Amino acid sequence: KQEVTQIPAALSVPEGENLVLNCSFTDSAIYNLQWFRQDPGKGLTSLLLIQSSQREQTSGRLNASLDKSSGRSTLYIAASQPGDSATYLCAVRTTDSWGKLQFGAGTQVVVTP
Amino acid sequence: EAQVTQNPRYLITVTGKKLTVTCSQNMNHEYMSWYRQDPGLGLRQIYYSMNVEVTDKGDVPEGYKVSRKEKRNFPLILESPSPNQTSLYFCASSLSVTDTQYFGPGTRLTVL
Repeated sequence: KQEVTQIPAALSVPEGENLVLNCSFTDSAIYNLQWFRQDPGKGLTSLLLIQSSQREQTSGRLNASLDKSSGRSTLYIAASQPGDSATYLCAVRTTDSWGKLQFGAGTQVVVTP
Repeated sequence: EAQVTQNPRYLITVTGKKLTVTCSQNMNHEYMSWYRQDPGLGLRQIYYSMNVEVTDKGDVPEGYKVSRKEKRNFPLILESPSPNQTSLYFCASSLSVTDTQYFGPGTRLTVL
């Protein structure tokens, strides 16, 4: 069964610093990996979707890398801002169970002014 | 506006009283799914639907039912709710099973 882990569980950085968020998964036979942002009491917003054939995806200040062989993805957020404060979750879809999406527990990020 | 809507947003009920949480999307998405989110356990998938009349179990389907009679709607049914179903529920949809998922705003359910 796919296990998805996100470490650390919480992170606090000063404004302007780059954020590095980690996601690891145990089964490398993935179809894709998705990063989400969740604000308190709100739904999830999709940030980036990386297909298994891709090494990275970029959107503005966000860059996500994928290393299937080592079972890892990293989300980089450049020049963090207080508005980046949220919980970030990664989710993995494996090739033998397309319909299922396995989530990590998330990393709670606080960016201090 | 393209969106996933859920109703109700908040619900307090008692053990054993049947309830339905509705989910609707206006994006003509094939795939829809239900999740529950609990502190310390994260998001777990309850049921999903690849298309109309096609549904399958996620990781925590016990105590829940779903139906997909039309593409836009995917209601979640709790026939006999229990306190351990107190949770925050999210509906999501995507164009196909492997595309970006769009989430609804959530339904906070309390079962007394």
